[in-house]
Formats: sequence, structure tokens, C-alpha cells
Amino acid sequence: DTAVSQTPKYLVTQMGNDKSIKCEQNLGHDTMYWYKQDSKKFLKIMFSYNNKELIINETVPNRFSPKSPDKAHLNLHINSLELGDSAVYFCASSYTGQAYNEQFFGPGTRLTVL
Amino acid sequence: AQKVTQAQTEISVVEKEDVTLDCVYETRDTTYYLFWYKQPPSGELVFLIRRNSFDEQNEISGRYSWNFQKSTSSFNFTITASQVVDSAVYFCALSEAIGANSKLTFGKGITLSVRP
Repeated sequence: DTAVSQTPKYLVTQMGNDKSIKCEQNLGHDTMYWYKQDSKKFLKIMFSYNNKELIINETVPNRFSPKSPDKAHLNLHINSLELGDSAVYFCASSYTGQAYNEQFFGPGTRLTVL
Repeated sequence: AQKVTQAQTEISVVEKEDVTLDCVYETRDTTYYLFWYKQPPSGELVFLIRRNSFDEQNEISGRYSWNFQKSTSSFNFTITASQVVDSAVYFCALSEAIGANSKLTFGKGITLSVRP
């Protein structure tokens, strides 16, 4: 029944490693997003995809690479992890990319880089 | 560029008090949408309300009410008779269209603590 799901929920890793976070939505939405929430709770969009096509890329380091194999999935791969990447990462989806559509968020993935 | 300001960072009230969370926004667009989201201690983000820029009617949903005023670029949220379960971080957000694709900009959030 989960609308937007993310795995894993927690991820603890060493600096320099490569890791992936998976996101899936079963709402039939066309648009998916990745957000980063820092330690001060500030939420900022990283990417958005509409029907597997990259729409928004918010000056995120190219160590972050989103991949959308189909419109129900948007995975986030991070290379060469740094301490500053520690945060909670939220996946979200909306019916379309139009401004009036509310976004539905996944439960978040807490990434800790040691 | 769009911007959302939530000047209050933390608010603490005693149960049954009313509390208002302020939100001020900036945008150059004439068409835009405002949202409120709740993030309880469990961490998920829960959609509460959407308001479009053409509809200045206030909205009430149970103990929650929202006051949208274009003249002051504000979209404030009031919780009446607060309860401990209302303790959460509340985010106001603004969505403008970039062509057919929107970008949601969040305020920094207000941490509300309701004490028994």
C-alpha cells in the first residue's frame, strides 16, 4: 500500500564509498524528485524527472547521478561519498510536473558518512 | 527567484492553546501555489494543504485553518486548541512553474512543541 517507498531507510558508510538509494512510487505519477534535508532541517530540491527525462538539476555535484529506469522508479547513486553528504534524502512524486500538483514524499533515507 | 520565509524557528505552547505559524513568500509570477507540509518526529513529510494564487478564501479543516493574503504575501497557518500530536516541524512551500515543470521551494520550517 505504500505510495512512495525508499530503500534503505538508514545508510551508514565510509568516506570515499559509492552508494545507491532506491525509490519507487505506485501512484501512477509522471514526475519524481529527490530532495536533501540537512541537519538544520532545510529541504532543497536536487533533481526532478518527468517520465524518465531529467527536468531539474539544482547545481548538485556530479558525484550524484539520478537514474530513472521507468517512470515509477528514480534511484540516486552517489560516488565518492564525502562527510558533507550526510543528510536525509527524500524521494517524492507528483501526478505531473505542473505547479499545482502536491508532492507525495517517501519516508526518507538517513545517510551517515563516517 | 522565489523565496519562502518562516521567521519563527521554534514555538512552544501548552496543550489547548492556539498557535499561528507565519509564512511570507516572494515571487515574480502571477500564478503560483502555496503548500504546507508537516514533518512529525517520525520523519515523514505529510501534505496538509495547497492554495493557488487566485483563491484568497480562508480554509478551515477541523482545528487547522489557513489565512492567505496576497497583499502581504503571507500564508499563515493556525492550529486551534493544540494537542501534543501537533508537535512537528511545519514547512511552508511555494511552487512556480518552470514551463510545464514546477519547482517547490521550502521555507526553513518551524518546530512546534506542544506540552501537556
